[in-house]
Amino acid sequence: AQKVTQAQTEISVVEKEDVTLDCVYETRDTTYYLFWYKQPPSGELVFLIRRNSFDEQNEISGRYSWNFQKSTSSFNFTITASQVVDSAVYFCALKEIQGAQKLVFGQGTRLTINP
Amino acid sequence: EAGVTQSPTHLIKTRGQQATLRCSPISGHTSVYWYQQALGLGLQFLLWYDEGEERNRGNFPPRFSGRQFPNYSSELNVNALELEDSALYLCASSLVGNTIYFGEGSWLTVV
Repeated sequence: AQKVTQAQTEISVVEKEDVTLDCVYETRDTTYYLFWYKQPPSGELVFLIRRNSFDEQNEISGRYSWNFQKSTSSFNFTITASQVVDSAVYFCALKEIQGAQKLVFGQGTRLTINP
Repeated sequence: EAGVTQSPTHLIKTRGQQATLRCSPISGHTSVYWYQQALGLGLQFLLWYDEGEERNRGNFPPRFSGRQFPNYSSELNVNALELEDSALYLCASSLVGNTIYFGEGSWLTVV
């Protein structure tokens, strides 16, 4: 069975601090996708990144970076120089590349950036 | 290009009634997914439709049902509403095997 764990329920930091959101996953599939989504108070889930299981390259997009380590089954997300607009709930998710096409989500991490 | 659109944004129903939620996928996407986000329960997979057929179903009772139309839009029906059905219902779309994009959701309140 697939499982995604986001152990940090809530994180609160002061603006301009760096913050890392942890994600650990379990799957018996050899090929899969990992995702991060952002959910602002409006409710919409905003897609941030998709990573294939066979691509362990880290990725940077502006202030956002992602660290994928297959050896530890982790896909962590770092925001550098955080801003108030980064405040949201962030979800990590896992999906088979073939098959059921069901996203399995972690419980989410509520990130609050204080001015 | 328009994203996934859902209607209504908010819906208030009485226990025992039926609710119908609608979703239009991103143009070109053939798959539509429904998720429930109830308070304290996280994001739960409800249904997956592709090319008009139900492909997968989550662990929900049969009173949760839906369909996908020839234009790939979809509706979710919840019959015999219960108080615990109050939740944000998120629709998403994709091409099969690709990134899943979500709409803004429909807030259902059962009173």
